Amino acid sequence: EAGVTQSPTHLIKTRGQQVTLRCSPISGHTSVYWYQQALGLGLQFLLWYDEGEERNRGNFPPRFSGRQFPNYSSELNVNALELEDSALYLCASSLDPFDYNYGYTFGSGTRLTVV
Amino acid sequence: QKEVEQNSGPLSVPEGAIASLNCTYSDRVSQSFFWYRQYSGKSPELIMSIYSNGDKEDGRFTAQLNKASQYVSLLIRDSQPSDSATYLCAPSLEKLTFGTGTRLTIIP
Repeated sequence: EAGVTQSPTHLIKTRGQQVTLRCSPISGHTSVYWYQQALGLGLQFLLWYDEGEERNRGNFPPRFSGRQFPNYSSELNVNALELEDSALYLCASSLDPFDYNYGYTFGSGTRLTVV
Repeated sequence: QKEVEQNSGPLSVPEGAIASLNCTYSDRVSQSFFWYRQYSGKSPELIMSIYSNGDKEDGRFTAQLNKASQYVSLLIRDSQPSDSATYLCAPSLEKLTFGTGTRLTIIP
C-alpha cells in the first residue's frame, strides 16, 4: 500500500512569490490535513479537507488556502510568501476522522525555504 | 492554558532504563489520544493510540490514560538509542492539535 505522497520534497522561493504544494493520501482515505512545522517548533494545524470540503482551518492568514479534488488528493497554496513561511509542510491522511483506533499517516513533507 | 501540554525537554535517559513522557490536556471532551514519534528531519509516525482509562501495552511501549485527571503518558521500557526522537501527544483526531513535543535522548 502506497503511503501519503507529497511533492515537491524541497522548494526554494523568493519573498512575494506564490507556491503550490501537493499531497496524495493513502488509497481509500478521504480526509487530508495540512500542518506547518517551522524549524524547532511544533506542528501547527493549517487545513482539514474531507470529502472535497474544507472542514476546519487553523489560525493562519487567508493567503494560505487549498482544495481537495474528487480523487481526494489535495493542494496547499501560499500566496505572497514571507520569510517566516519557511518551514516543513506536512500532509496527513486518515481513513475516518472520528475513528479512535486510527490516527494520521503523514507524508514525508515539503521543505519550503523562502529567501 | 494551552490545549495540550507536554513535559518540557529535553529528556535524557540511560540506555536500558524507562523513559516516561507526559501529556496533559484541557478539553474534557477528548475521547482518544495518540502518541507520535518524530525523528529529526522526518515526519511524525503513529506509535500508540488509547481511548480507555488505564494502560495499553504494545511491545516496549505502554500508554496510560487518566481521563479524570486529563493526563496521558507514554512509558518506554528498555530504552534503546533508536528511541531518541521527539514524541508528540495528540488528543483525538477531530481536535487537530498536537503538543509541542518532548525531545528524548537515550544515552548509550
